[in-house]
Amino acid sequence: EVQLVESGGSVVRPGGSLRLSCAVSGFTLGDYGMSWVRQAPGKGLEWVSGINWNGAATGYGDSVKGRFTISRDNAKNSLSLEMNSLTAEDTALYYCARERGSSSGYYIDYWGQGTLVTVSS
Amino acid sequence: QSVLTQPPSVSGAPGQRVTISCTGSGSNIGAGYDVHWYQHVPGTAPKLVIFDTINRPSGVPDRFSGSASGTSASLAITGLQSEDEAEYFCQSFDSSLSAWMIFGGGTKLTVL
Repeated sequence: EVQLVESGGSVVRPGGSLRLSCAVSGFTLGDYGMSWVRQAPGKGLEWVSGINWNGAATGYGDSVKGRFTISRDNAKNSLSLEMNSLTAEDTALYYCARERGSSSGYYIDYWGQGTLVTVSS
Repeated sequence: QSVLTQPPSVSGAPGQRVTISCTGSGSNIGAGYDVHWYQHVPGTAPKLVIFDTINRPSGVPDRFSGSASGTSASLAITGLQSEDEAEYFCQSFDSSLSAWMIFGGGTKLTVL
């Protein structure tokens, strides 16, 4: 059974940092690209960052570029998101997600249940 | 503002058919990029219900179907059941943006 379990969410002050982790099981992490997607309270889904199967290619949404860093450790079945210079606009439920490639881009075939990040003073 | 526009809410009685629209532009759906749909019940992990515009993952009932025309895509659910009540999001790719994925704002489906 494919499982993605996020951790690391908490309350952090504006300007602070946080590291999210995602532990995966039920599949070989190195066979898939992975993404982080977030949902702010009352808002829709927003793609945050993605990483290809071996970490050689990464991408970031415009709202987090330069502040967030995605990484992976295939041997430890783990995905991470390092978040710096956090603002209230980063408050959201953060989902770890497994990517699949389609003929024209990517989609997500499995999601975790999310970890909550709250940026507040 | 989401690049893909969805109606905030739709509703239907059990057994009825509902459709949820996802309107984009010439740089995403109109350019032929596939559309994917997710079902999300708050507190649970989102679930893929349609991929590559028209395909259903294994285990998704054939009551769910997807289509696209021009700059819009649609998710149709027939034989509506109470367990279909959820929020539905469309997702695609936009060639004018750096994001690997773009999402619609979501549509809340209420089963009356």
